[in-house]
Amino acid sequence: SAVISQKPSRDICQRGTSLTIQCQVDSQVTMMFWYRQQPGQSLTLIATANQGSEATYESGFVIDKFPISRPNLTFSTLTVSNMSPEDSSIYLCSLDPGLAGTEQFFGPGTRLTVL
Amino acid sequence: KNQVEQSPQSLIILEGKNCTLQCNYTVSPFSNLRWYKQDTGRGPVSLTIMTFSENTKSNGRYTATLDADTKQSSLHITASQLSDSASYICVVISSGTYKYIFGTGTRLKVLA
Repeated sequence: SAVISQKPSRDICQRGTSLTIQCQVDSQVTMMFWYRQQPGQSLTLIATANQGSEATYESGFVIDKFPISRPNLTFSTLTVSNMSPEDSSIYLCSLDPGLAGTEQFFGPGTRLTVL
Repeated sequence: KNQVEQSPQSLIILEGKNCTLQCNYTVSPFSNLRWYKQDTGRGPVSLTIMTFSENTKSNGRYTATLDADTKQSSLHITASQLSDSASYICVVISSGTYKYIFGTGTRLKVLA
């Protein structure tokens, strides 16, 4: 199994500011995923982050709003830019071990509240 | 359109009772189906992973079933405990694209 840590675990931010969320994995992985979970909702994929290439964003998410870095195979960051109250969510990173039918691991999540 | 629907949306049961959560999907082509447990304020944790050929898979007091013909799955929880209080999410993975399609979850509350 993989151990995933996220920082910060929670934050309260003012609108118009930006927050960078860090995701650290204890092993090297090819693909990392960033999800958003709005209150009472299920998970929505924001983007897929591969090391050494631009992140791939899902429909409705853009790089200017959610820039992602993937400097190596164990680390990634997601920035939530120019925040508004609608960005209040739990943000989770996840990793795919690369084999279909194997377990997908999630980080503990970052709970963001935007005032 | 690929969709995963779960029912009920929420459920309250007494400790020690059994319950069954439902998941219907329209995802095609199908790779595998997963049930996750998500405690409040935590990330989802995998309970079971089922491929097309598997009908039943157990993980302790959790038993998942899959009917690939009717595109239905269920998660049965036996002898519920207070610690079972959580959201249970059904996820279907589409083969080829390897996209994860998440259900909206069932919020289970177990009362003493």
